[in-house]
Amino acid sequence: LAKTTQPISMDSYEGQEVNITCSHNNIATNDYITWYQQFPSQGPRFIIQGYKTKVTNEVASLFIPADRKSSTLSLPRVSLSDTAVYYCLVGESSGGYQKVTFGTGTKLQVIP
Amino acid sequence: DTGVSQDPRHKITKRGQNVTFRCDPISEHNRLYWYRQTLGQGPEFLTYFQNEAQLEKSRLLSDRFSAERPKGSFSTLEIQRTEQGDSAMYLCASRMDGYTFGSGTRLTVV
Repeated sequence: LAKTTQPISMDSYEGQEVNITCSHNNIATNDYITWYQQFPSQGPRFIIQGYKTKVTNEVASLFIPADRKSSTLSLPRVSLSDTAVYYCLVGESSGGYQKVTFGTGTKLQVIP
Repeated sequence: DTGVSQDPRHKITKRGQNVTFRCDPISEHNRLYWYRQTLGQGPEFLTYFQNEAQLEKSRLLSDRFSAERPKGSFSTLEIQRTEQGDSAMYLCASRMDGYTFGSGTRLTVV
C-alpha cells in the first residue's frame, strides 16, 4: 500500500482558498487518490476521489499531476465548519476490497 | 437512515470486562471493515468482511478480539478481558465504491 505524507496542520482564515498537498511517491498504476474529512467524534467522510488531472465536485477540487506522485486537495472559500482533519489515501477504487491505510492527516484550523 | 450505524456510541468498562460493539452497514454494501482510532492518529485497519466471510485480520487484532458478520448483514466486534490500551474509537465502515463510515463507538477502559 502506498504511503502518504501530508502536513500535520494548517491554519487559514475564513473565506480563503486552502490547498493541502499529499505526497505518494510509491503510488501504483491502479491506485486512486481519495480524500476524507473527519470531525471530532465522527467517522471519516468521503470528500473526493481521482486518478489523474483534475476532479471537481460541489465540495472540493483535486489536482493530480502527470506523474501522480502527489495530489492537492483544494477547498474554496473555507468556513469555520471546514475545521477538521483531512486524510489523503491511495488505493484501489471500486472492484478491489482494498483496506486503506490512513496516515495522521492534516488538521485544518479555520480562523474567523 | 441509510448510513452506517454503530452501537453504542460510548462505552465505559472496567479492565478485564468483555465488551461487544455492533455495526449495521448500508444494506446493499457487501464489504464491511472495522478500524480503530486513538487520539491524534488516523484510523488503523482491524479486519474486513466480504458478506459473511472474514477475509483479513490485522496483526493489531489480538486473540482477545473477535469479529463476526452472521448472514452478511450486521457485524459485531467483541473484546475480551479489556485492557487500558484498548481505549480508542472503534469505527465501522461499509463500502460499495468509497467508504462510508459510522460515527464510531468510543471505548474507555478504566
